[in-house]
Amino acid sequence: QKEVEQNSGPLSVPEGAIASLNCTYSDRVSQSFFWYRQYSGKSPELIMSIYSNGDKEDGRFTAQLNKASQYVSLLIRDSQPSDSATYLCAVERGQTGANNLFFGTGTRLTVIP
Amino acid sequence: GAVVSQHPSWVICKSGTSVKIECRSLDFQATTMFWYRQFPKQSLMLMATSNEGSKATYEQGVEKDKFLINHASLTLSTLTVTSAHPEDSSFYICSARTSGRTGAYEQYFGPGTRLTVT
Repeated sequence: QKEVEQNSGPLSVPEGAIASLNCTYSDRVSQSFFWYRQYSGKSPELIMSIYSNGDKEDGRFTAQLNKASQYVSLLIRDSQPSDSATYLCAVERGQTGANNLFFGTGTRLTVIP
Repeated sequence: GAVVSQHPSWVICKSGTSVKIECRSLDFQATTMFWYRQFPKQSLMLMATSNEGSKATYEQGVEKDKFLINHASLTLSTLTVTSAHPEDSSFYICSARTSGRTGAYEQYFGPGTRLTVT
């Protein structure tokens, strides 16, 4: 079983719609979770971090965490063509601050104008 | 967010030569930096964890004598690819860890270095 799993996509949504990206992880003691956006040929950019169960909103982005289900998601409201990128879910290995991140393989999102 | 720089952004070298890549945290001190490699259409692969003032911790399968890492200060880590070969051609990305707004750690990436070995 992979440490972090994501649907590779591609996920296509029309402009203005809500894009929903999902991620599951296997390490029950993980405490820190991150979403990164990576444009083609560029390095990842941190867009959201979440540490507690529930929702966390930042602009058009909402991260959702359910530790019992070992599930973290990212919602992008009012999707724009500029949101087209690969979204990487990352989970901190072990206890907070103890180690590095496990990355999923990423979900490629295409927002259709 | 915190800013991490890398230099050079791209490099072409001949097979058998060595290449040094620098990673700097510009507006924060990073006791821990990470080096990743990414091949086309693949995910990030962690190569090593670099701690200031101590030896790097390499992931399984990564040759420490080939990929030399030095983390001499709280703002600078370097990766040297020694005796580079065409199969080492890849996108090398560093990241640095800092305390986020909530106090928990967040990891920020440099812009990456594209290495081509001919």
